[in-house]
Amino acid sequence: GNSVTQMEGPVTLSEEAFLTINCTYTATGYPSLFWYVQYPGEGLQLLLKATKADDKGSNKGFEATYRKETTSFHLEKGSVQVSDSAVYFCALRDPQGGSEKLVFGKGTKLTVNP
Amino acid sequence: GAVVSQHPSWVICKSGTSVKIECRSLDFQATTMFWYRQFPKQSLMLMATSNEGSKATYEQGVEKDKFLINHASLTLSTLTVTSAHPEDSSFYICSVLASSYIGDTQYFGPGTRLTVL
Repeated sequence: GNSVTQMEGPVTLSEEAFLTINCTYTATGYPSLFWYVQYPGEGLQLLLKATKADDKGSNKGFEATYRKETTSFHLEKGSVQVSDSAVYFCALRDPQGGSEKLVFGKGTKLTVNP
Repeated sequence: GAVVSQHPSWVICKSGTSVKIECRSLDFQATTMFWYRQFPKQSLMLMATSNEGSKATYEQGVEKDKFLINHASLTLSTLTVTSAHPEDSSFYICSVLASSYIGDTQYFGPGTRLTVL
């Protein structure tokens, strides 16, 4: 079956530090991959996505590249800000059968200190 | 601004009672909504897919009679936890599927914290 594994948190960084949150997946087909972010007290928001191998999703300084050979979709940001403190979820959608179902990782809590 | 709202944001109830959670799509009509459950330090687990005007599709292992879903209009889906017990205490999150020329996107509500005493 489909599954997503992302690095255990919590992650604590200082402002302007480099961020990497690892995400690997297992899928039966050719999934689309997503990163969602959940700020305190709010719902999940789509941060970025990639729909095929070698695609790079980017938004708000965050990037992730769909690596089929390593089945990975690691999230990176060159310089984090305090406002990036949130929980980040990696997810996949396997379009086989026309399903819109998302499979999520456990989430990684990021805290950025000034 | 928020495109999906949930009500209530938190609820505490006694064991054996039923609790209804509402999910509203604020900005667009949604034929498909999803209900998730999230345990502490766990990922979101899809419970069911709610389809407007038809029966919900439940994931394996989810009790249909315990988690009643009604999607009576294009902007409202409700999840009723019947005869709630302490093990039903969890964070329940809904999402709305929006289709556009750039593809389909799920917009998530802020969640509802249920505590069963």
